[in-house]
Order: sequence, then structure tokens, then C-alpha cells
Amino acid sequence: SAVISQKPSRDICQRGTSLTIQCQVDSQVTMMFWYRQQPGQSLTLIATANQGSEATYESGFVIDKFPISRPNLTFSTLTVSNMSPEDSSIYLCSVGLGTPFYEQYFGPGTRLTVT
Amino acid sequence: EDKVVQSPLSLVVHEGDTVTLNCSYEVTNFRSLLWYKQEKKAPTFLFMLTSSGIEKKSGRLSSILDKKELFSILNITATQTGDSAVYLCAVRSSMEYGNKLVFGAGTILRVKS
Repeated sequence: SAVISQKPSRDICQRGTSLTIQCQVDSQVTMMFWYRQQPGQSLTLIATANQGSEATYESGFVIDKFPISRPNLTFSTLTVSNMSPEDSSIYLCSVGLGTPFYEQYFGPGTRLTVT
Repeated sequence: EDKVVQSPLSLVVHEGDTVTLNCSYEVTNFRSLLWYKQEKKAPTFLFMLTSSGIEKKSGRLSSILDKKELFSILNITATQTGDSAVYLCAVRSSMEYGNKLVFGAGTILRVKS
């Protein structure tokens, strides 16, 4: 497995502002992902964070709203831009380990509340 | 559209009971099925299944996959209050650009002492 840390663990933000969430892994990983879990819902993939290139976004998620950086194989950031109360969720960083069928592990999550 | 359905949505049992959680799926290009336990925020990885009929076991938890009938079960024997959590099933399918996990809604398990 991998040790994944996220910062901040929680935050309360004002509408219209932006928050950047950091994800750090204790080993180099190729596959890194960002998920959202809205209250009472299951996990939804936002994007795959690609090292050295633009992230690959899922349907319904756009780069202007959720810009992602992946400067190296151990670190990534997700920014939630121009926030609204609908963005209140848990945001989770995740990594894939192993080939060809990789196991996937999740970080501790960031609980975001937008007021 | 890829779909993962878990049942039951919730259940309440007493300590010592055995529970079976179900996960059925319809996905294109199936690769693997994963089970997670979620308490508070972070899902904790339990099992990954890729082949039919091979049971994965860890302590009181076990899981098996049936690729023909497109389902998996997660068994928990001699349940304890610490088993109370949301159990998530996820299926990995191949996409053009890579793979993605599709999650079910989860089963909420509450174990009463």
C-alpha cells in the first residue's frame, strides 16, 4: 500500500473563493486520481492527474472549475474555484498501485464546507 | 452507462451475526472489482477481485466474484461493533485513456452490541 496525506483535512470557505487541496504520497506512483463525495452520495471521479501533462476530466467536470497540477510522481493539487454551496463535499485523492490490475488506495480526505 | 448496484442499502445486526453484502454490476470492459470500508472520510481498501470463483479472505472478512453472473459478495462473520461502517463496491472498467472506478451507493452496516 501507500501512505497518502492530504491538506487541509477540513475547511470552511466563503462563496466565490477558491481552495487548493494538496495530496502527497510516500512513494512514486503513476496513477493518481481526484474524487468527490457529496453528502449522502457515493464517490465520483473528478479527473485523472497525469504527471507532466493536463489532467483527464470526467464528464461534468471542467478544468476551469477544478484545475489540477501534477508536477511529479508523488504530489498533486486540486483547486476548487469560485466555490458555491453545491461544492460542499469530501474531496479525496487516490493512487493506483500494482500492475496489471492495480489496487487503489485513498487519502484521508478533505471535508469542504462552502457558506 | 456503467452501473454498480449494492444491496441491501442498510442493515442492522447484532454482534456475532454473519452478514452478506451484495454487489452486482454492468460495465463495459470489466477489469476488476474492489471492496472498501468507509468510516468517517477515507475508504479503506479491503479486497480486489479479478478472477471468478477465487475467494479472497482476511480475518473475518471474505469475498468472491462471479464474472458470469456479474456479481460479488462480501461476507463478514462474527461481526463486531467495529465493523459498523459503509461498505463500498467499485468496479474498474477500461476506457480509451486508461481505467476508471465506478462506485456503488454503498451498504450501511450497523452492528449493535
